[in-house]
Amino acid sequence: DIQMTQSPSSLSAFVGDRVTITCRASRPISNYLNWYQKKPGKAPKLLIYAASTLQTGVPSRFSGSESGTDFTLTISSLQPEDFATYYCQESYSDFYTFGQGTKLEI
Amino acid sequence: DGQLVESGGGLVNPGGSLRLSCVASGFRFNYYSMQWVRQAPGRGLEWVADVSSMSSYILYADSVKGRFTVSRDDAANSLYLQMDSLRVEDTAVYYCARLVTNRPPHIDCWGQGTLVTVSS
Repeated sequence: DIQMTQSPSSLSAFVGDRVTITCRASRPISNYLNWYQKKPGKAPKLLIYAASTLQTGVPSRFSGSESGTDFTLTISSLQPEDFATYYCQESYSDFYTFGQGTKLEI
Repeated sequence: DGQLVESGGGLVNPGGSLRLSCVASGFRFNYYSMQWVRQAPGRGLEWVADVSSMSSYILYADSVKGRFTVSRDDAANSLYLQMDSLRVEDTAVYYCARLVTNRPPHIDCWGQGTLVTVSS
């Protein structure tokens, strides 16, 4: 099985900050990496797929990148609505493993 | 764009059964693979099961294999999850999700979720 390790598990930031969340795969997964945003009581929302492709309708302040088995989600200038939990997910294996999540707090 | 609406959640005793349903609208349901994903209270997202278009292949997480059965009825635009031998640790919000299989695969549409509580 592929393990996905996200860091940090939580992060405190301010509106306007630039933040970076990292996800590391336990073995190569090419660019089979997705990022989702989850707010309490709401369905998850796809932000980025294929490591760096922005989903239609997602603000351009969100971006993704990859370097080997390390993947990064960057929010260039935090907005109040961005405070949520973020999950990476590999879609390389048949088991679509999620990272443990990063809670972004004000 | 698509909409998914789950139903069937509720309170059930350990060892009991429950059947979740998910009705799709606004897209060609039969074209897509569909998945169930859950989130236990205070925990992260966990992939549960996947059924391809035409039910060509079906996959389960190890945590539910042998206890849960996923199925679909394309004529009714519906996805199901039959959950048997339920355990306390199956308590979670269960989400129905649409999988885009263009490489790489990704979930682009989610239901609002239905809560399953397993407790005596």
